[in-house]
Amino acid sequence: EAGVAQSPRYKIIEKRQSVAFWCNPISGHATLYWYQQILGQGPKLLIQFQNNGVVDDSQLPKDRFSAERLKGVDSTLKIQPAKLEDSAVYLCASSTTGVAGGVQFFGPGTRLTVL
Amino acid sequence: DQQVKQNSPSLSVQEGRISILNCDYTNSMFDYFLWYKKYPAEGPTFLISISSIKDKNEDGRFTVFLNKSAKHLSLHIVPSQPGDSAVYFCAAKEGTYKYIFGTGTRLKVLA
Repeated sequence: EAGVAQSPRYKIIEKRQSVAFWCNPISGHATLYWYQQILGQGPKLLIQFQNNGVVDDSQLPKDRFSAERLKGVDSTLKIQPAKLEDSAVYLCASSTTGVAGGVQFFGPGTRLTVL
Repeated sequence: DQQVKQNSPSLSVQEGRISILNCDYTNSMFDYFLWYKKYPAEGPTFLISISSIKDKNEDGRFTVFLNKSAKHLSLHIVPSQPGDSAVYFCAAKEGTYKYIFGTGTRLKVLA
C-alpha cells in the first residue's frame, strides 16, 4: 500500500513570495490533514478535510494561507505572501474514519525556508 | 495554552534498559491518545494508542499507561534498542478526529 505522498520535499523562497505544497493521501482515506511543525514544537493542525469539505480550519491564517481538496483526493496548501515565521515543515496526513479512532498516516513533509 | 505537554525534551537510556516517556494533558474531554515516533526527514509514524476507557495497552516492547485522574500518560519501551532512537510525540484526540500534539521528546538509546 502506497503511503502519503508530498511534494516538493524542500522549498526555499524569499518573504512575500508565494508557495504551494501538494499532498496525495492514501487511497480510500476520507480525512486529510495539513499540519505545520515549527522547529522544536509538535505538529499544529492547520486544516482538516472530510472528503472535499472542510471540518476544521480554525488555526489556518486565512489572510495568507489557503487549502483545497478537489474531488476529495489530492490537496494543495498555498501560502501567499510568505513571512519569515512561516519557515517550518508542512506535514500532510490522512486517515480513515473507522473504529480505529482515525490513526493518522503522515507523509514525509515539505521543509519550507523563508528568507 | 499547551493542552498536551511533554516536559522532557530529551532522554538518554542504555540499550536493554527501560525507556519511559511522559505526557501530561489538561483537557478532560480527550478520549483517545496516541504515540508517534519520528525519525529525521520523515513524517511521524503511529506507534501505539489507548482509549480513555482503558488504563493500559501493550504491543510487543511498547506499553502505554493512562492515569486519567492525574491526566498523565506514559510510554514504556522494554528493552530499549538503538533503533528506538527518535523523537516521540504524544497526541490527544479532541472531537471528531482532531488531534493535539505535544512538543516531543528526543530519545537516544546508547549502545
